[in-house]
Amino acid sequence: KNQVEQSPQSLIILEGKNCTLQCNYTVSPFSNLRWYKQDTGRGPVSLTIMTFSENTKSNGRYTATLDADTKQSSLHITASQLSDSASYICVVSVQAAGNKLTFGGGTRVLVKP
Amino acid sequence: GAVVSQHPSWVICKSGTSVKIECRSLDFQATTMFWYRQFPKQSLMLMATSNEGSKATYEQGVEKDKFLINHASLTLSTLTVTSAHPEDSSFYICSAYGQGGGYGYTFGSGTRLTVV
Repeated sequence: KNQVEQSPQSLIILEGKNCTLQCNYTVSPFSNLRWYKQDTGRGPVSLTIMTFSENTKSNGRYTATLDADTKQSSLHITASQLSDSASYICVVSVQAAGNKLTFGGGTRVLVKP
Repeated sequence: GAVVSQHPSWVICKSGTSVKIECRSLDFQATTMFWYRQFPKQSLMLMATSNEGSKATYEQGVEKDKFLINHASLTLSTLTVTSAHPEDSSFYICSAYGQGGGYGYTFGSGTRLTVV
């Protein structure tokens, strides 16, 4: 069964600090992996998209890594800001599965001043 | 970049009435649209997949007669919640995939439905 597991479920960090979110997946065959940021009451917004041949991608203070061999990904947030408080969702796309996405449960990040 | 407009952003309706939610791809043609619902502190749950010009494919457990999906054009899909009940209260989100969208599944901003 295709699954995407994220950890931790939630975390609290102080403004200015860094943090790393984890994502493990068992999706096969793998097409690409995406990280989304979802503010409360809003739709998810894409942060990064990586295919199996890419092992790192950055978007400002967000850096995603991908290890296709171990089926693990991480999202690193550098110098956190209050506006980074949101849910971060790891999403994996299955090849030739009608373009369906498999969602992780998300990590809720709270940045405190 | 690809933009998906979802309307309304929130709606309150009485039990037994129907509510229509619109999802438009503004700058690309969406060959496929997805509808999700999301409960508080949970991830998105896929309800159905619709391809332009054909009937929607519903996920197991989703009542197709209750959640009517229309994808009549490459830029518009609608979800109609019929005979709404309080348990239908949720956050509904659409996502569009298609030409010009690249790899991206672009999400709408969501609709908060409250049935009273």
